[in-house]
Amino acid sequence: NAGVTQTPKFRILKIGQSMTLQCAQDMNHNYMYWYRQDPGMGLKLIYYSVGAGITDKGEVPNGYNVSRSTTEDFPLRLELAAPSQTSVYFCASRSAGTFDGYTFGSGTRLTVV
Amino acid sequence: AQTVTQSQPEMSVQEAETVTLSCTYDTSESDYYLFWYKQPPSRQMILVIRQEAYKQQNATENRFSVNFQKAAKSFSLKISDSQLGDAAMYFCASINTGTASKLTFGTGTRLQVTL
Repeated sequence: NAGVTQTPKFRILKIGQSMTLQCAQDMNHNYMYWYRQDPGMGLKLIYYSVGAGITDKGEVPNGYNVSRSTTEDFPLRLELAAPSQTSVYFCASRSAGTFDGYTFGSGTRLTVV
Repeated sequence: AQTVTQSQPEMSVQEAETVTLSCTYDTSESDYYLFWYKQPPSRQMILVIRQEAYKQQNATENRFSVNFQKAAKSFSLKISDSQLGDAAMYFCASINTGTASKLTFGTGTRLQVTL
């Protein structure tokens, strides 16, 4: 199994550009999450989804949008990129009713210049 | 809301020695889980150990063990016989068992392992 796959691994954006960070999981997990990790900090939740068609805001949702049209995919959209969005982004998933910990993707390092 | 606090930004340990990383948390829920994650330079988040709040027995995984003090809301990680490969960022995290619950992370402790 591939687990959680994130693309791209690295990206440099100019201020005001837009992009979509892709996340796919092949474990049939209901719950998916997007976190950002700023340098020297822990992970903060941006958005999450408990199933296809259902999304909700986390702790730091401003400047981002998500959609969940399928169980497998949970893309994160950045509109009008700003330097404050320079961060490492992690996608994660887990199965409903289990608390074995999340399965994480390998992260996307985004720099906005 | 949950909070997780790691008060040690950096720690250092000599190879083969033992080190303890501290974590405190706060939650109003009675049923929850606690985790320690390791993040090496590769950025990958690796689950080290998990503790269920309703279990009094401390979790152990090989050289890694926890000291779970529920009343004090403390959850420390002990690494025995430290190895160079243990050098990484370590994050403490908690999750309630509600339907839409999410992992909440501490700010991390960077562990250095010296010869």
